[in-house]
Amino acid sequence: AQSVTQLGSHVSVSEGALVLLRCNYSSSVPPYLFWYVQYPNQGLQLLLKYTSAATLVKGINGFEAEFKKSETSFHLTKPSAHMSDAAEYFCAVSDPAFGNEKLTFGTGTRLTIIP
Amino acid sequence: DSGVTQTPKHLITATGQRVTLRCSPRSGDLSVYWYQQSLDQGLQFLIQYYNGEERAKGNILERFSAQQFPDLHSELNLSSLELGDSALYFCASSVDSSSTGDETFFGQGTRLTVV
Repeated sequence: AQSVTQLGSHVSVSEGALVLLRCNYSSSVPPYLFWYVQYPNQGLQLLLKYTSAATLVKGINGFEAEFKKSETSFHLTKPSAHMSDAAEYFCAVSDPAFGNEKLTFGTGTRLTIIP
Repeated sequence: DSGVTQTPKHLITATGQRVTLRCSPRSGDLSVYWYQQSLDQGLQFLIQYYNGEERAKGNILERFSAQQFPDLHSELNLSSLELGDSALYFCASSVDSSSTGDETFFGQGTRLTVV
């Protein structure tokens, strides 16, 4: 079974500082990995996805993530935090053998931006 | 706007009651997924339908059922409701369940409160 672990349920960074949200995965096969963002009272929006092409994936809003097989990690970064980045972020994994049948989500990381 | 429409946005009901949540997928999407987001369980996959047929099942209780109609909209039926069923229920859709890595689009959710 596949799973993802998000380290840190709450992360606070100053505006303009580096954002680093951690995600480690467990999978018996090379997985597909995703980062979603959820703003208050909103649904989930896809930030970026890794589907076995380039290991460095660029997403929307200046976010990127790097797939590191040796570390089983898919950490999300953004060089300079903006107030509008305050939200909850979810890492997710799917099994390529089963297509999009289901996403298994991490427990989420709430990002707070300090002015 | 993801193109996935969920109704109602909010629902308050008493224990023991039955409710129906409705979802209209994005135009052209054949797969519909239901997820439950609660404080104690996080985001959990419940069930997936593809073109009218059940495709995958997750942590869905026996008191819950779903179906997808010929026009591809889906309904999630929750019966004998308990306080613990209070959660945000998301519907999501994607083009084809066999298309690995396709983006899954989420609706804004139905917030169910059981009192």
